[in-house]
Amino acid sequence: GEDVEQSLFLSVREGDSSVINCTYTDSSSTYLYWYKQEPGAGLQLLTYIFSNMDMKQDQRLTVLLNKKDKHLSLRIADTQTGDSAIYFCAETLSGGYQKVTFGTGTKLQVIP
Amino acid sequence: DGGITQSPKYLFRKEGQNVTLSCEQNLNHDAMYWYRQDPGQGLRLIYYSQIVNDFQKGDIAEGYSVSREKKESFPLTVTSAQKNPTAFYLCASSHSGTSGARDEQYFGPGTRLTVT
Repeated sequence: GEDVEQSLFLSVREGDSSVINCTYTDSSSTYLYWYKQEPGAGLQLLTYIFSNMDMKQDQRLTVLLNKKDKHLSLRIADTQTGDSAIYFCAETLSGGYQKVTFGTGTKLQVIP
Repeated sequence: DGGITQSPKYLFRKEGQNVTLSCEQNLNHDAMYWYRQDPGQGLRLIYYSQIVNDFQKGDIAEGYSVSREKKESFPLTVTSAQKNPTAFYLCASSHSGTSGARDEQYFGPGTRLTVT
């Protein structure tokens, strides 16, 4: 099946780390992505990880992938108020065209 | 500046009327997509097109129609047959839509459609 699940809401204090979690069900995923959506706007690609990697770091962002548990996480270090947004994980499935399945999104609220 | 534009940002229609949402890209991307976003449900794929003059139904195509006469343009028509059309609509494009490639999608700013 193709199901990508995320918790709906996360609240953190400015300066703390945020960890947003995602679980997926399709073991044939090739790439997994994290997108950010600010209020009333489209989605912006933050980072991605190929399915044969365990970790990827990009400045304040760290992506961890546990293929055995089909678990993906996004850690944002030193969270700022500008990080407040909805974060979507997404997986690309193999076969046919580039089908991308998005999670339900996690709304991150950063408290000053 | 390359990117994807959607217009208008807000659209209001009466029930029973068809409405067309515009999506234009100047990224020279072959593939284009339409998604619908409802609160707490993530994005759901309506239609996609991998090449000009060709398009395929996504997961929730009923009540919608599209055309792809030009590479740059992929308009979406919300017909009166769509039972619950009020939503935020997002258009996206990608280089090729080829399976297995790292082919991230670029999104437009969205159109919020309200039907009363």
